[in-house]
Amino acid sequence: GQSLEQPSEVTAVEGAIVQINCTYQTSGFYGLSWYQQHDGGAPTFLSYNALDGLEETGRFSSFLSRSDSYGYLLLQELQMKDSASYFCALQGGAGSYQLTFGKGTKLSVIP
Amino acid sequence: EAGVTQFPSHSVIEKGQTVTLRCDPISGHDNLYWYRRVMGKEIKFLLHFVKESKQDESGMPNNRFLAERTGGTYSTLKVQPAELEDSGVYFCASSQGTSRYNEQFFGPGTRLTVL
Repeated sequence: GQSLEQPSEVTAVEGAIVQINCTYQTSGFYGLSWYQQHDGGAPTFLSYNALDGLEETGRFSSFLSRSDSYGYLLLQELQMKDSASYFCALQGGAGSYQLTFGKGTKLSVIP
Repeated sequence: EAGVTQFPSHSVIEKGQTVTLRCDPISGHDNLYWYRRVMGKEIKFLLHFVKESKQDESGMPNNRFLAERTGGTYSTLKVQPAELEDSGVYFCASSQGTSRYNEQFFGPGTRLTVL
């Protein structure tokens, strides 16, 4: 099966940079996705890495290293509205397209 | 364009009763997925439809759960009879294609409480 580990909580200051790490175990997958969820609402797609390296989307960047079974989400110029839960998720593998989620990291942005 | 919608937003039922959850995917999305999150656990995959066909139902917990997608549009997830451990938030997601690069768009979820 697949499993992912990420920190349960992170606190950072408004305007700062924060990195949320994700390690995983799997026998195969198509890519690593990141989702944001505010207060139990709909998870919202942030970023996807199919290949090793950095993907940048505005203030958010995501990184994947398949050899290290590791990825991270980098949030820059933190804003109060970034306070939310962030989930890493392995996408698919072996013909399956399901997402396998980590337990989520609750990010608190403080003034 | 409307997003993924789910109905009801909340449902409270007693153990042994039946509940049916509905999901309307984004128009034109052939792929529809069901996930659920039980208290304190991660979001877990239940099943995947491609149009009206079940592509992958490896996450369905047991035969008390029945998912349908007649006509390849909206989907229903029926729990019969409901048990206490079925409580949680049930999410539906849809995507445009099965390409592994495709983003899954999630609905707001249905919060199910079984008493």
